[in-house]
Amino acid sequence: KAGVTQTPRYLIKTRGQQVTLSCSPISGHRSVSWYQQTPGQGLQFLFEYFSETQRNKGNFPGRFSGRQFSNSRSEMNVSTLELGDSALYLCASSLEAASGNTIYFGEGSWLTVV
Amino acid sequence: SQQGEEDPQALSIQEGENATMNCSYKTSINNLQWYRQNSGRGLVHLILIRSNEREKHSGRLRVTLDTSKKSSSLLITASRAADTASYFCATYDSNYQLIWGAGTKLIIKP
Repeated sequence: KAGVTQTPRYLIKTRGQQVTLSCSPISGHRSVSWYQQTPGQGLQFLFEYFSETQRNKGNFPGRFSGRQFSNSRSEMNVSTLELGDSALYLCASSLEAASGNTIYFGEGSWLTVV
Repeated sequence: SQQGEEDPQALSIQEGENATMNCSYKTSINNLQWYRQNSGRGLVHLILIRSNEREKHSGRLRVTLDTSKKSSSLLITASRAADTASYFCATYDSNYQLIWGAGTKLIIKP
């Protein structure tokens, strides 16, 4: 069974631009959650989607948004990029809602903002 | 905010030795999970221990949970070079958000 797939793996953007990252969960998984990892802040929860609905949202500004499609694939978007948005963005999927269940991570998307 | 906090921040041991990492958390939990991350890669789930469990084994891994002390430990026995990675504990907070510790960087010297 294929794992969680994230695209693109690496990208460089300029301040003020916007970016869209994509995540394909493990087949059959209905929950997709997103995390940001930086050297300074560590791993931080962004949001979780379950059956196309945002179930939970972390403490990030409104520039960070996401959505989930009917096939459970998810995208996250960051608008008006800032230098501090440079990070590894990780997507994870689980069979049911994430809390209480094992979540499986993709390899991440490395975003560099210059 | 970080719920789980690991110590030590870094650990360097010889291959074959045992490695112990500790994690402390702040609020009551339903379960605690440990993950491994190889440099710049995604996280790999290692083990989940529920609040009503005190110890759990998986291969060379042993996890303990002490809910009275709000702490957990991960023991890797007979370490191998391939165990070199960062290890994170994570718990769900009251808002069902997975909160991560800062991680322990483990280096296994051949």
